[in-house]
Amino acid sequence: SQTIHQWPATLVQPVGSPLSLECTVEGTSNPNLYWYRQAAGRGLQLLFYSVGIGQISSEVPQNLSASRPQDRQFILSSKKLLLSDSGFYLCAWGPGGQETQYFGPGTRLLVL
Amino acid sequence: AQSVTQLGSHVSVSEGALVLLRCNYSSSVPPYLFWYVQYPNQGLQLLLKYTSAATLVKGINGFEAEFKKSETSFHLTKPSAHMSDAAEYFCAVSLGGFKTIFGAGTRLFVKA
Repeated sequence: SQTIHQWPATLVQPVGSPLSLECTVEGTSNPNLYWYRQAAGRGLQLLFYSVGIGQISSEVPQNLSASRPQDRQFILSSKKLLLSDSGFYLCAWGPGGQETQYFGPGTRLLVL
Repeated sequence: AQSVTQLGSHVSVSEGALVLLRCNYSSSVPPYLFWYVQYPNQGLQLLLKYTSAATLVKGINGFEAEFKKSETSFHLTKPSAHMSDAAEYFCAVSLGGFKTIFGAGTRLFVKA
């Protein structure tokens, strides 16, 4: 069966510091991968998606970036965090086609 | 362009009462429709999905949803609410590509 992991679970970072969130998927090959941000009461905002190694599509211009160095690894990064980057970050994978998505447990980021 | 609207950011029901969470969508072609549930500080979990095979879709935990093309609706129901159903519920629409549009979510409260 497939599983998806995210770490860390919680992160408190000062403004201006760098960020690296990691997501890995097990039990499947060549998944579509997604990063979402969830702000309180505002649903899910798609940040990035990837259909293969090194292929990243950005949905929202911002100071975040994503990379996919391996088939089942997806990384969300920032060089300098802003207060507005605080939120709950969710990674998801999908097998393609009908695009049901399967979510990881999330990372709660607080930028102070 | 596709979109999804969830009517009511908060819904409160008594234990044992009917649960009805409303979702309307906008799509130029027949969409795939989903309901996800999110428990506090967790990722989203798929409840059910509509893929045009049947208009009444049964999901996990006793939930079901009916696709009504004439009303562009995909409301989620459960005959009898349990305390464990308290969570946030998201309706989502996809055209089968890489982008899934999520509603803003409806938080369900269940009173004893």
